[in-house]
Amino acid sequence: LAKTTQPISMDSYEGQEVNITCSHNNIATNDYITWYQQFPSQGPRFIIQGYKTKVTNEVASLFIPADRKSSTLSLPRVSLSDTAVYYCLVGVNLTGTASKLTFGTGTRLQVTL
Amino acid sequence: GAGVSQSPSNKVTEKGKDVELRCDPISGHTALYWYRQSLGQGLEFLIYFQGNSAPDKSGLPSDRFSAERTGGSVSTLTIQRTQQEDSAVYLCASSRGQANTEAFFGQGTRLTVV
Repeated sequence: LAKTTQPISMDSYEGQEVNITCSHNNIATNDYITWYQQFPSQGPRFIIQGYKTKVTNEVASLFIPADRKSSTLSLPRVSLSDTAVYYCLVGVNLTGTASKLTFGTGTRLQVTL
Repeated sequence: GAGVSQSPSNKVTEKGKDVELRCDPISGHTALYWYRQSLGQGLEFLIYFQGNSAPDKSGLPSDRFSAERTGGSVSTLTIQRTQQEDSAVYLCASSRGQANTEAFFGQGTRLTVV
């Protein structure tokens, strides 16, 4: 399984764009990159998933360079409610079966006024 | 149900007692995962099921921990002879079981061993 490395914490002011980068040097050809968000006292929640280039949804964008050895989660104009822990996952793609989802230590984002 | 349901939400038990934690996954989800999260820490993988089979049990901390899943639905995580270091939030998640699909988490069971 590919190991992921993320910053332990980040701080931002409300209204700013936040970019969290995850390193996954040993990513395999079939691996997708997935990001989850976790608020205190809650289970993680899926944010976005991608394989290469760029993916955008209503919550965030995910940028993946051509070598796929890293990825960047971009949160536009963060608000106080975006304060959470963000996890980057690189899973084993076993076609037709479940993947072992291994969470790293995550990045604790603190948004202030 | 509408989401992943875990019970009980809180459990306080005496050291040495056995506990059972239950997870009801989203209907139709074939994959089910168990994690443990200590206060302020990340998620520690315990075990996952594809249907009723557990392809990977490597995360179970010791032989005091076991899990089963029946009928491809409900799963039970059992901890025997609980120790204080077992105190944590135990999270369950389910997914459709196909590669790289979204996993949905329950609210967790907070276990306190006194």
